[in-house]
Formats: sequence, structure tokens, C-alpha cells
Amino acid sequence: QVQLVESGGGVVQPGGSLRLSCAASGFTFSTYNMHWVRQAPGKGLEWVAFIRNDGHDKYADSVKGRFSISRDNSKNTMYLQMNSLRAEDTAVYYCAKDNERFGVDYWGQGTLVAVSS
Amino acid sequence: QTVVTQEPSFSVSPGGTVTLTCGLSSGSVSVDYYPSWYQQTPGQAPRTLIYSTNTRSSGVPDRISGSILGNKAALTITGAQADDESDYYCALYMGSGIWVFGGGTKLTVL
Repeated sequence: QVQLVESGGGVVQPGGSLRLSCAASGFTFSTYNMHWVRQAPGKGLEWVAFIRNDGHDKYADSVKGRFSISRDNSKNTMYLQMNSLRAEDTAVYYCAKDNERFGVDYWGQGTLVAVSS
Repeated sequence: QTVVTQEPSFSVSPGGTVTLTCGLSSGSVSVDYYPSWYQQTPGQAPRTLIYSTNTRSSGVPDRISGSILGNKAALTITGAQADDESDYYCALYMGSGIWVFGGGTKLTVL
């Protein structure tokens, strides 16, 4: 069965960096596009970034220039490098598998990132 | 800046029917936006309900359906049950690899 497991969250000071990982299993990771979606405490879902199976990437305006999505198909793992973190980046970060029909079919359980001094 | 709009809250009686909508601050939602819908209960990861306007994700009952109503995407739940009480989010594909979520609708079943 499809499993997505995020890791790497934690507490970081404003201006700091963090790298999230998403370990995938149960499907042929290299052939699927993937997403990062976040949810600030008490708020709604926010799409963050997208990576195609060939590595082509896209970002929400709120993170463009600060965050970088990548993948290692040999390790079945996706990453989110987050730099210049701000308080408003505090959220649970979910990785999600694209369903090839402009949507998402599977979600991880999320990892919490807290940006605080 | 494109804003995807949803009703902040809605209520439905048990056994009743409710339609939640997903619009754009400027313009109309069409199938070309490939609207998708997600359900989330507190403390849990989202669950995919509908994608590409009206295709149910695996395991989603047929009392849950998606459509385009007028200039908005719509999610209709018939025969509402207590465990339908959740937050519901729509997402629209804006093209060029960009997606935008709506602000979500809190559905109460009472």
C-alpha cells in the first residue's frame, strides 16, 4: 500500500533553515509527480510546491526564492529545503502524491515546523 | 492574486443534502481548472474525495459527488451522516504547475 512518511520538522529560529524529507513506498516513486502542502495552526491548507517526475518544479509565491523542492528517485524520497524561515512558515507540512489527473490521491501524516525565537 | 472562495461554514441535518461551492474571486470555475475536493477532520491528514471535477477517489461513497454549478465547482453530499462533519477544501489547478486551495468550509451535521 502507498505510504508517505515525512520527517525533519522541528523548532527553528527566524531566518534559519530546515530540510524536510518525504519517504515514499508502495508505488513506483520515480514515475509520479509530488507535492508539498502546508497548514498553519488553525488555518486552511496551502499548496507550497510541486515537482514533476523529471525534476521540473513550481512554487507558491509565498515561498518562491526561499524554498526548494527536490527528489532522489534512487532513494524514493522527496525533499523540501526551507531557507530564510519566517514565523508565518509555522505549519504542519504534508507531502502528497499526485494522481496524474491534476489532483492528489495520497497524503502523508505531516511534520510540524515551528519558527520561533 | 487569485483567490479561491468557499463558504466559511455550512450546516446540514442528518440525512439531508448539502452542496458546498468553490469559486474564484475573479472569473468562473470550469472543468479546465480540474477542481478537486478534500475532507479533513481535526488532527488528521486530508483525505481526497473528488478530483478532475467529478471523479471519486478510491473508497469514496457515491453519495458524495462533484460537479460544476453555474460558475463554481460544487461538492454535494446526500444522506448526510455524523461522520461527514469535517472541514472541506477545494483546490484548483491554475496551469503551469500551480495549484491554489480555497479557505475551506466547516461542515456541521446537526
